Amino acid sequence: GAVVSQHPSRVICKSGTSVKIECRSLDFQATTMFWYRQFPKKSLMLMATSNEGSKATYEQGVEKDKFLINHASLTLSTLTVTSAHPEDSSFYICSATANTGELFFGEGSRLTVL
Amino acid sequence: AQSVTQLDSHVSVSEGTPVLLRCNYSSSYSPSLFWYVQHPNKGLQLLLKYTSAATLVKGINGFEAEFKKSETSFHLTKPSAHMSDAAEYFCVVSDRTGGFKTIFGAGTRLFVKA
Repeated sequence: GAVVSQHPSRVICKSGTSVKIECRSLDFQATTMFWYRQFPKKSLMLMATSNEGSKATYEQGVEKDKFLINHASLTLSTLTVTSAHPEDSSFYICSATANTGELFFGEGSRLTVL
Repeated sequence: AQSVTQLDSHVSVSEGTPVLLRCNYSSSYSPSLFWYVQHPNKGLQLLLKYTSAATLVKGINGFEAEFKKSETSFHLTKPSAHMSDAAEYFCVVSDRTGGFKTIFGAGTRLFVKA
C-alpha cells in the first residue's frame, strides 16, 4: 500500500532555534498534504492544508509565521517550526491525499523544545 | 463543512466482551470515513475505511464498522475485546471540502479489564 514517511520521528532542540519536519509520499503523488498537531492525550488538530505549488491554507488560530509550510513537489511537504519555544513541544503528524481521495498518514514527529 | 463527533470519551469493557465505539458525522458530500487507533506514544494505524463501497466494512484485528447514512453514523465494533485493544481510537471524516480536508473526532479511550 501507499506509504507516507515523516522525518525525523523525534527531535529535541533548544529554545529559539528552528526545526524542519519532512513529509514524503513514497510511491504516489500527493496533490494535497495536511499537517496536524496533537497535544498530550488529545485529538489531532488540523493546522494547515498544503497544496503543491501554492501557499498553504492555515486553520484559524495557527500562526503562519511560526509554522512555515512548503509543498515544493508532489511528494514532499515540509513544516518548519521557527524560533521554537517549549510550548511548541508536541506530536506533529502529516497526511497525504492522492487524486483518488485516499488518505495516508505519516508516523508522526515528536518535537521537544528545551 | 464536515464534522465528526465521538460520543464517548472513555469506554471500559472486560476482556472477551463486545466493543462499541460510537461515531456520528456530518458532511455536505459523500464522505470517506475512517477509524484509526493510536497506542501510547505511537503514530496512527488505520483500522478500516469506508469509501462508498460496501456499507459494512471489515478491518484489521477483528474490527468492523457500518456506515449508516440515515443515522449519519459509523460506529466501530468488535465481538470480543482483547487486552491489546486498549488504546485511543479516532473516527475521521474526509470529503472533497477543501481538497479532501480530514477532520478528526475527539477520540475515545478504550480500557480493557482482565
